[in-house]
Amino acid sequence: QQQVKQSPQSLIVQKGGISIINCAYENTAFDYFPWYQQFPGKGPALLIAIRPDVSEKKEGRFTISFNKSAKQFSLHIMDSQPGDSATYFCAAPKVGGNTPLVFGKGTRLSVIA
Amino acid sequence: DSGVTQTPKHLITATGQRVTLRCSPRSGDLSVYWYQQSLDQGLQFLIQYYNGEERAKGNILERFSAQQFPDLHSELNLSSLELGDSALYFCASSPGGIVGYTFGSGTRLTVV
Repeated sequence: QQQVKQSPQSLIVQKGGISIINCAYENTAFDYFPWYQQFPGKGPALLIAIRPDVSEKKEGRFTISFNKSAKQFSLHIMDSQPGDSATYFCAAPKVGGNTPLVFGKGTRLSVIA
Repeated sequence: DSGVTQTPKHLITATGQRVTLRCSPRSGDLSVYWYQQSLDQGLQFLIQYYNGEERAKGNILERFSAQQFPDLHSELNLSSLELGDSALYFCASSPGGIVGYTFGSGTRLTVV
């Protein structure tokens, strides 16, 4: 059973465009929603995270939008750059609270000039 | 450098063999998590240790086992290896909970 469903699997965006990656979750006990960025040959690194008491969080060009009623959260990358080309993972606690993170299957983003 | 150290970086072994992967967490982190990453399954949670004790189990096969030592480093033991065990194995650490989760660079295991 996939607890976080991520889409799309892959995404190609022009430089300067907006990249949008979506994640749907099932368990309403989830209360922490991070996004991780992974470059080839490296481990995933925390990019940005949100708790469900806010609907949006912005850090530089990266924004998480959270829709509690739809049980969805999304990552928006504004002014996408070739250096943003990586695989992005959404995650949530396995059964809520401080339980280990479970991850979506990832989105491979390619930003082309 | 994330502060989480995994060794070895690469490992090639034959089917039926046993290997040990090692993880040293960030200084001060008490929790260690092991994940398996394959192309079709993404990042799969295997097991968590907190301060030497098993805290949570995920999709870990019976052929796999782990432990965390008094100095907080952890080892993941994989035995009776099969071709399908070929994957990247990541260790992550955190102070205790899921905030501040930091991954190492992984061990790439190839079973031939």
